[in-house]
Amino acid sequence: DAGVIQSPRHEVTEMGQEVTLRCKPISGHNSLFWYRQTMMRGLELLIYFNNNVPIDDSGMPEDRFSAKMPNASFSTLKIQPSEPRDSAVYFCASSFRTGAITDTQYFGPGTRLTVL
Amino acid sequence: GENVEQHPSTLSVQEGDSAVIKCTYSDSASNYFPWYKQELGKGPQLIIDIRSNVGEKKDQRIAVTLNKTAKHFSLHITETQPEDSAVYFCAASMNTGFQKLVFGTGTRLLVSP
Repeated sequence: DAGVIQSPRHEVTEMGQEVTLRCKPISGHNSLFWYRQTMMRGLELLIYFNNNVPIDDSGMPEDRFSAKMPNASFSTLKIQPSEPRDSAVYFCASSFRTGAITDTQYFGPGTRLTVL
Repeated sequence: GENVEQHPSTLSVQEGDSAVIKCTYSDSASNYFPWYKQELGKGPQLIIDIRSNVGEKKDQRIAVTLNKTAKHFSLHITETQPEDSAVYFCAASMNTGFQKLVFGTGTRLLVSP
């Protein structure tokens, strides 16, 4: 399997613009996670989907952020409008949820977002 | 909520030496503790994990120990090699219905030849 695929790998945009990050989870996985990594806050969970349904979005910073999962093989994270403080590396991860605490999360390579 | 502290933030060792990274967690309900390795330009990758009903787990040159009483767990790498150079993250999770990982701040390990 190709692993978790994220696009674009790098995104540079100007403040106020809409940004859409994309993720293709590993085939057969039923859980998907979006994370944000910054120097100040480290790696933090933004939102979790199970079977395409958002289960926990308590980590989404504010209403400017939204995430969707229209089908089992695709998810998007959208920021509108973007701000310089949104600059970070955004990771998507997927897993096959069996209900066991040890379900492994497989991370994609990330999207480095820079908002000028 | 859960809080995970990780030390040291950077660690430099000579090839062949051992490296130890330590983490503490705050919530006694946490019962799963994975360690991830992140290489430059890549996403974190699981290298070893331990459940709360186990005190120690070993996989070749890496091992993890857990002290539930002290809420403390550690990663041990023996016979380090230059390819071990990376950022290592510890994490903790409790059974909330899904694996909600809270990560430590990371340790940058540099192994010099």
